[in-house]
Amino acid sequence: GDSVTQMEGPVTLSEEAFLTINCTYTATGYPSLFWYVQYPGEGLQLLLKATKADDKGSNKGFEATYRKETTSFHLEKGSVQVSDSAVYFCAQTNFGNEKLTFGTGTRLTIIP
Amino acid sequence: DAGVIQSPRHEVTEMGQEVTLRCKPISGHNSLFWYRQTMMRGLELLIYFNNNVPIDDSGMPEDRFSAKMPNASFSTLKIQPSEPRDSAVYFCASSGGSSGANVLTFGAGSRLTVL
Repeated sequence: GDSVTQMEGPVTLSEEAFLTINCTYTATGYPSLFWYVQYPGEGLQLLLKATKADDKGSNKGFEATYRKETTSFHLEKGSVQVSDSAVYFCAQTNFGNEKLTFGTGTRLTIIP
Repeated sequence: DAGVIQSPRHEVTEMGQEVTLRCKPISGHNSLFWYRQTMMRGLELLIYFNNNVPIDDSGMPEDRFSAKMPNASFSTLKIQPSEPRDSAVYFCASSGGSSGANVLTFGAGSRLTVL
């Protein structure tokens, strides 16, 4: 069945470091892909999305490119800030299906 | 818009008691989702509704759990009787309208502790 596998955490980085959080998916058909972020004590928020192969989603300095050939949607940011500390979830859904399949989440901590 | 509104934010109860969690989705959204989040199991979809009709309840753990959506602006998740293993954060989310299908807006969650 459809699934999402993301990088095990926790991840700890220094401020201004480069960030990559890996995400790969298994799906029948051509899913839409998402990154959601959860700040402490809050619900999840959509960070970015991509709906077809080679699309790049971007928001708040974060980027992810939909790679059909490697079934991946890795999250990147060139220079992280303390305020980026949160849990990041990769997710997918297939056309016509409203259910999102989430990965297990990756906890990111940025140290000043 | 005030976003997805959940209540209560925190609930502490004793085993065997009935618990009711409430959710008000964003106006104009036609899909509503209930998720449960724990450290051990991560984020689990319990049930979702489309136009107030339950579409998929395969994630509901057992008969102790029930969910209703009597109208487009209100949903409840009920646990009766509650057990300590039900302790978790329960999230409601909605989607649809101008935000598009598949883009979920989450509430702040209801943290349930069953003693």
